[in-house]
Amino acid sequence: AAGVIQSPRHLIKEKRETATLKCYPIPRHDTVYWYQQGPGQDPQFLISFYEKMQSDKGSIPDRFSAQQFSDYHSELNMSSLELGDSALYFCASSPSGSYEQFFGPGTRLTVL
Amino acid sequence: AQKVTQAQTEISVVEKEDVTLDCVYETRDTTYYLFWYKQPPSGELVFLIRRNSFDEQNEISGRYSWNFQKSTSSFNFTITASQVVDSAVYFCALSEGGTGGFKTIFGAGTRLFVKA
Repeated sequence: AAGVIQSPRHLIKEKRETATLKCYPIPRHDTVYWYQQGPGQDPQFLISFYEKMQSDKGSIPDRFSAQQFSDYHSELNMSSLELGDSALYFCASSPSGSYEQFFGPGTRLTVL
Repeated sequence: AQKVTQAQTEISVVEKEDVTLDCVYETRDTTYYLFWYKQPPSGELVFLIRRNSFDEQNEISGRYSWNFQKSTSSFNFTITASQVVDSAVYFCALSEGGTGGFKTIFGAGTRLFVKA
């Protein structure tokens, strides 16, 4: 069965650079969630989209923005990267109205 | 507000021992889902089980079993005859509806070490 695809799987950036993470949901899933997991931490909700509109927002820094496109894939844009942004970023998708989210493999971002 | 508490930060057992990971949750909703995920050192989140708030039936899957008790807001996970490959971080999580969807709230995780 198709799963959530995230790219890239690993990314290394310098401080103050920008990064773009991509998420391709499972076909026919119209809702996408982004989570950030710092070292030794649990995943924290950042933002979600339903039918290309932002549906909920968590503790997402103003330096981050995200959107969902017409094909339902989503991108998380991160600017002015800081050392503390180094984390595992998970994308999850679900069909509308579902409590269950299917997680992607994550993108490991390292900021040097 | 919703909250998931995993009081055990780390547990160390010897292979073949049974081990129970505790999870206590808080929610005001009557409809919600509870999950357990395994996160091995490679980092991916491996789905283990989903349980909705209306289904208090305990479940067994091989060496894994789950005990869901609404009366105590607990959803504990037991591994029987643990193996070295069970070493990982285990997260309990809660998903409930809101105005913006069904985001998942994770507990802090329990790191399980299984020694040979």
